[in-house]
Formats: sequence, C-alpha cells, structure tokens
Amino acid sequence: GQQVMQIPQYQHVQEGEDFTTYCNSSTTLSNIQWYKQRPGGHPVFLIQLVKSGEVKKQKRLTFQFGEAKKNSSLHITATQTTDVGTYFCAGRDAGGTSYGKLTFGQGTILTVHP
Amino acid sequence: SQTIHQWPATLVQPVGSPLSLECTVEGTSNPNLYWYRQAAGRGLQLLFYSVGIGQISSEVPQNLSASRPQDRQFILSSKKLLLSDSGFYLCAWSTPGLGGQPQHFGDGTRLSIL
Repeated sequence: GQQVMQIPQYQHVQEGEDFTTYCNSSTTLSNIQWYKQRPGGHPVFLIQLVKSGEVKKQKRLTFQFGEAKKNSSLHITATQTTDVGTYFCAGRDAGGTSYGKLTFGQGTILTVHP
Repeated sequence: SQTIHQWPATLVQPVGSPLSLECTVEGTSNPNLYWYRQAAGRGLQLLFYSVGIGQISSEVPQNLSASRPQDRQFILSSKKLLLSDSGFYLCAWSTPGLGGQPQHFGDGTRLSIL
C-alpha cells in the first residue's frame, strides 16, 4: 500500500534559525496537505498543494510540491518559539479509490530553543 | 461554521472493560468521518473511516469497532480493552468527495488502560 515517509523525525533549532521537513511518497499523489500539532493538542490543517511544482507561502512558512507529485517540503524561515510542535504531511494516492482517505507521514517534531 | 465535538477528553479504563467514544459534527451534512489513534510521539494511524450512515471501512485488524448511527455521529467501541489500546484517539471530518479533502480534528481522547 501507499507509504508516506517524513524526515527528519526530530529537529532542534535555536530561535531564529531556519527549519525544513521533507515528505516522500511511495506513489504519485493527487494532493499533499500539511498539518501542525501543538504539544498536547490536535492536528490543525495548514495548507493543501495540488499542482505539480506548486509553491505556496504563509508568512514565514513555504510549502513546495515536487514536479513528480511524490514529494513535498515545508520550510520555516527564522523560527520562533510559537513554531514548536509536530508537522505532518498527508497525501492522497492519485490512483486510490478510497473516498477521502489520506495517508499521514510520521511527522517531524520541532523544538525551538529561545 | 462547522464544529466537531469529541468526548471524553481523558479516560482511564481497566483491562477487559468496554469502551465507547463519541464524536459529533455540526454545521455540515454527509461529512466523511475518521477515527485515528496516535501513540505518544508518533504519527497518526487511521483506524476507521466512513462516507455515510452505516458505511464503515476498517483499516487495520484490531480490538476496536466503529459505527455511524446518524449522519454526523461516529462512535468508536470495544467490548474488551487491551493494554495495547492505550493512546490518543482523534476523530476527524472532511467534506465528502474522492479528492482527499482537508481533515478537521476534534480535541481527542487520551485513553489509558490499567
């Protein structure tokens, strides 16, 4: 079945440093979504990318979808302590038939030291 | 606007006892509904999803079952809990459709089995 791998598993940065997490799928995706889960909280939807090579920005966050629609990345510029949490990617298999089903990566846990 | 309610927030149960977790969604019709489990510091494991009343798809063989008695109600159950059932249980909804729509999560239930 479809697998979505995410690296790194953990990332510790000093406040002000940049951060990037990478997501790779074993199959071509119809879309990729990114979620953030604060410590003790639930995942919250951040953004969805649909087009090959698409790049979207949300303030200090930049999201990319690979040309082959099998990988994606999330880059945070100048991290702040409010960026702490776990970042998940989730994708839908382009050849899938399961309605609405997403496969989540294992997440990257980001800690930011002030 | 749409809201999702999940309860209880925390639950401590003895091994062998039954379980019933409830999730309800307001403000939308015919949503896709999902149950996930998250082990501490880990990713999201999809347990069940439903595209309509009485329609349940199980993702992994396990000690749990799900039911959807009403359009916006999703219930996770077990007849006899195991130690391995401990975890953080999350309910989520998305708009109906094949395309893998963004999912919106409830606050979750932290289940501890003693």
